[in-house]
Amino acid sequence: QAVLTQPSSLSASPGASASLTCTLRSGVNVDTYTIFWYQQKPGSPPQYLLSYKSDSDNQQGSGVPSRFSGSKDASANAGILLISGLQSEDEADYYCMIWHSSASVFGGGTKLTVL
Amino acid sequence: VQMVESGGGLVKPGESLRLSCAASGFTFSYVWMSWIRQAPGKGLEWLGRIRSKTAGGTTDYTAPVKGRFTFSRDDSKNTLYLQMNSLTPEDTAVYYCATGFTDAFDIWGQGTVVTVSS
Repeated sequence: QAVLTQPSSLSASPGASASLTCTLRSGVNVDTYTIFWYQQKPGSPPQYLLSYKSDSDNQQGSGVPSRFSGSKDASANAGILLISGLQSEDEADYYCMIWHSSASVFGGGTKLTVL
Repeated sequence: VQMVESGGGLVKPGESLRLSCAASGFTFSYVWMSWIRQAPGKGLEWLGRIRSKTAGGTTDYTAPVKGRFTFSRDDSKNTLYLQMNSLTPEDTAVYYCATGFTDAFDIWGQGTVVTVSS
């Protein structure tokens, strides 16, 4: 079982909010990890969006709009990327990442379609 | 602040290739550098990292590349290298160098394409 699992796709309407989940494997406790989120558009390298460990320990990437935010759902053992006020330019692939046992691990990515 | 990879291309299975990542706009010697690849239509895969000289300059490799790939750096040239040996078609990917001043990868190169095919 992969360390990080993301739904392969998600669709949402312009102006709405989208909640992208990143579920940690059983036994890998989300409470102890900082979740990093990246956005990748076709033909471009990934771009760092933000990191979230807790409400008091989180960081926004440089120039990243505040409508991108992070949170956790401890009951689901998952990290969440919330995008509010969706815009067409938000259509992209989104990857979560953690540092696990001193190695960087990425989720499989979620393709967000804005339509 | 930017990083530019080079050295990608088409090689046959079993051959070797060396990639470079030239950094500018920040103090390269301070940062730990990672290589990350992305196979066609697939997700991101971290290959490993090389620490700064002050942190020992040591390397970590993931299982798929350990023993075949070697990371090195020349801080005088602000350049990171990836020596890839015994390449297989499964190594076909876009290769990115990435780094940051925290645990995030907030600086990425544009990527260089490696194709392994007979």
